[in-house]
Amino acid sequence: DAKTTQPTSMDCAEGRAANLPCNHSTISGNEYVYWYRQIHSQGPQYIIHGLKNNETNEMASLIITEDRKSSTLILPHATLRDTAVYYCMYGGATNKLIFGTGTLLAVQP
Amino acid sequence: GAGVSQSPRYKVAKRGQDVALRCDPISGHVSLFWYQQALGQGPEFLTYFQNEAQLDKSGLPSDRFFAERPEGSVSTLKIQRTQQEDSAVYLCASSLAVDRGNTEAFFGQGTRLTVV
Repeated sequence: DAKTTQPTSMDCAEGRAANLPCNHSTISGNEYVYWYRQIHSQGPQYIIHGLKNNETNEMASLIITEDRKSSTLILPHATLRDTAVYYCMYGGATNKLIFGTGTLLAVQP
Repeated sequence: GAGVSQSPRYKVAKRGQDVALRCDPISGHVSLFWYQQALGQGPEFLTYFQNEAQLDKSGLPSDRFFAERPEGSVSTLKIQRTQQEDSAVYLCASSLAVDRGNTEAFFGQGTRLTVV
């Protein structure tokens, strides 16, 4: 199964950028990197995904290293509502996403 | 609504009782997934459907767990003779694409099952 490594928890000041790292050294060349987040008592929410190039949408930016063995999710201006568990994953043979333990991001006022 | 809908939101079952959890995916979505999430843990994959075909059931923890999607739309996860260790949130997700990698999945709110 696809495995990723993320820090257990991180803090970020409100209004500052939150940079969440992820290692995915066993990713294959055609597998996408996905980021989801889960706010307490809700289902996981899609944030962004990418293959090789950096990606940006209205929620976040995704920076993928050239060797694709790691990536960073950037929330440019974190708010209190961004407090959640953030999961970094990559797809397997049947498109299933394997969740790890994720990073608990706590945005502080 | 346009999202993935799960029912019931909460279910309390007595140990040994059978339960059925329903998932209404987004209309037209080909792929459907079930996950189990224990308290304080990340979601664990249970099973995957492509239309009505169950292509992967490697995550089902025992033969008490059964999932179906007979018409390629609504799916039901059934748990027979529930045990306390089955207490968890059961999440359903659907996605439009069949493409191996480029698959954005949308999750429902989940069903919280408590076995007493």
